Amino acid sequence: SQQGEEDPQALSIQEGENATMNCSYKTSINNLQWYRQNSGRGLVHLILIRSNEREKHSGRLRVTLDTSKKSSSLLITASRAADTASYFCATLGQDNNNDMRFGAGTRLTVKP
Amino acid sequence: KAGVTQTPRYLIKTRGQQVTLSCSPISGHRSVSWYQQTPGQGLQFLFEYFSETQRNKGNFPGRFSGRQFSNSRSEMNVSTLELGDSALYLCASSKKAGTYEAFFGQGTRLTVV
Repeated sequence: SQQGEEDPQALSIQEGENATMNCSYKTSINNLQWYRQNSGRGLVHLILIRSNEREKHSGRLRVTLDTSKKSSSLLITASRAADTASYFCATLGQDNNNDMRFGAGTRLTVKP
Repeated sequence: KAGVTQTPRYLIKTRGQQVTLSCSPISGHRSVSWYQQTPGQGLQFLFEYFSETQRNKGNFPGRFSGRQFSNSRSEMNVSTLELGDSALYLCASSKKAGTYEAFFGQGTRLTVV
């Protein structure tokens, strides 16, 4: 069963705007990761944030983690058409024998 | 450095048949995990292998099985195929067990008719 739930399910923005996606999860975690998937292809790892971290940056990506609310957000700044993809959060739990569980994903469309 | 290679990329099988999918992880990676992705269920964890041992298994029937060889290459097998097994099967490799910062292959698109 899935662990994380992304919100919104779909997001459509103009190039240059910022995109924010949220992820909520249910159980205690060791870390949370964000992945991108272009249509029908494999997933690409974007960023990992550990349970003792609150914020992390990588290029145009900013991830926050609030373990008290069991939620994370992914912010993509100055979006580009090439950012069009599905974005998934994945959690590595403390109590599920260390297998990574994915949410349903947010489908981001960036219009040129 | 070569990425994760999955073969074949596309496969069409008939109900009742069996299928074997292959995954070659990144050199030096000892963990290989398999996922099934469908529009309705999303990404579902199948199993993880580390150093030729199955570390963890998801909630799939016994028709789904796998193995890992000494060179870390992995295969998964699905027997007695059902229409509902049609999916994109993704393999992920990572250095450590537990799929930290996993690298995914392009997937095998299986269609069962």
